[in-house]
Amino acid sequence: ELKVEQNPLFLSMQEGKNYTIYCNYSTTSDRLYWYRQDPGKSLESLFVLLSNGAVKQEGRLMASLDTKARLSTLHITAAVHDLSATYFCAVDLYILGNEKLTFGTGTRLTIIP
Amino acid sequence: GAGVSQSPRYKVAKRGQDVALRCDPISGHVSLFWYQQALGQGPEFLTYFQNEAQLDKSGLPSDRFFAERPEGSVSTLKIQRTQQEDSAVYLCASSLANRNTEAFFGQGTRLTVV
Repeated sequence: ELKVEQNPLFLSMQEGKNYTIYCNYSTTSDRLYWYRQDPGKSLESLFVLLSNGAVKQEGRLMASLDTKARLSTLHITAAVHDLSATYFCAVDLYILGNEKLTFGTGTRLTIIP
Repeated sequence: GAGVSQSPRYKVAKRGQDVALRCDPISGHVSLFWYQQALGQGPEFLTYFQNEAQLDKSGLPSDRFFAERPEGSVSTLKIQRTQQEDSAVYLCASSLANRNTEAFFGQGTRLTVV
């Protein structure tokens, strides 16, 4: 059974600081997604990582994937208040033509002025 | 429409009542997924359709849960004899058939069983 673990679960950081959220998973997969969720809202797609070594950046967020280590990271640079949200990683298992995403437990990020 | 639409947005049901949750995927999207998100948790997979075919229902928690997509577009998730533990947000997502494309999520239906 695929397990996806994120850490930390909760993160408070000051504006302007840098931090990294980690996503470990237990089964071989070469596809990983990062989503953002604001309270009471749905999931917003941030990054789609499709191969080992993939790195994508959008604004102050950068995501990477190491399929050999079964690890993805979401790095936040010079945090601003607008980034406060819950961030989920999700691993795509594609078995026998069937797709499903297995999500991590989420990291609740709070940016403090 | 422009995105995945779900209705109702909120549903309060008395324990034992049957409920039906609707999902309108993005037009032309072949794949459709249902997820259940309990409070403070990540979404958990329930079931997956490709067109009208339900290819995976391994995540449905009991035989009280039933999903259909009869014409390969709109989908309905039905929960019979609701229990308190069914309280959650039910998210629908759709994607193109190509596996390299991402899934887009609807805003969800928040079900509260009292």
